[in-house]
Amino acid sequence: SQTIHQWPATLVQPVGSPLSLECTVEGTSNPNLYWYRQAAGRGLQLLFYSVGIGQISSEVPQNLSASRPQDRQFILSSKKLLLSDSGFYLCAWRGQGRNSPLHFGNGTRLTVT
Amino acid sequence: GESVGLHLPTLSVQEGDNSIINCAYSNSASDYFIWYKQESGKGPQFIIDIRSNMDKRQGQRVTVLLNKTVKHLSLQIAATQPGDSAVYFCANYNQGGKLIFGQGTELSVKP
Repeated sequence: SQTIHQWPATLVQPVGSPLSLECTVEGTSNPNLYWYRQAAGRGLQLLFYSVGIGQISSEVPQNLSASRPQDRQFILSSKKLLLSDSGFYLCAWRGQGRNSPLHFGNGTRLTVT
Repeated sequence: GESVGLHLPTLSVQEGDNSIINCAYSNSASDYFIWYKQESGKGPQFIIDIRSNMDKRQGQRVTVLLNKTVKHLSLQIAATQPGDSAVYFCANYNQGGKLIFGQGTELSVKP
């Protein structure tokens, strides 16, 4: 069966420090991969998605970037964190089929101080 | 523009009662809908999905109803239990292939 792993679960970082969040998927190949952010108030905002290695689409201009160095690895990064980057970051994957659900990891709670 | 929205931000039910969570969507071309459950501190968990060629789909204690005429779908939870307390999201894919979420309904189950 397929599983998705995100780490770390929680992170406290000072303003101006770099960020690297990692997500890996097991049990499937060539998944579509996604990074979402969820602020207080529950709405999920799509940040990046990737349909293959090295292919990244950005949804919103911001202080973050994403990379996909391997088929089942998706990384969210920042060179210098802002206070506004605090939030709950969720990685997700789905298969290549048109009508299929996203499957989410358990998220990383990032607090920028 | 495209949107997926929920009628109520919170819903409180008595344990053992049935729960109904509603969702409206704007894109009449939408052909696939998903319900997620999100417990505190965790990622959204897939509950059930439905394609537009269906009006109803049942899972374990859950039923999703789709009314394409009024662009409305609902999630019904039978015999609601304390473990059902969570935020519930409806979602669908927009024309660009991106999954769009509603704002969520927080379900509280009173013992």
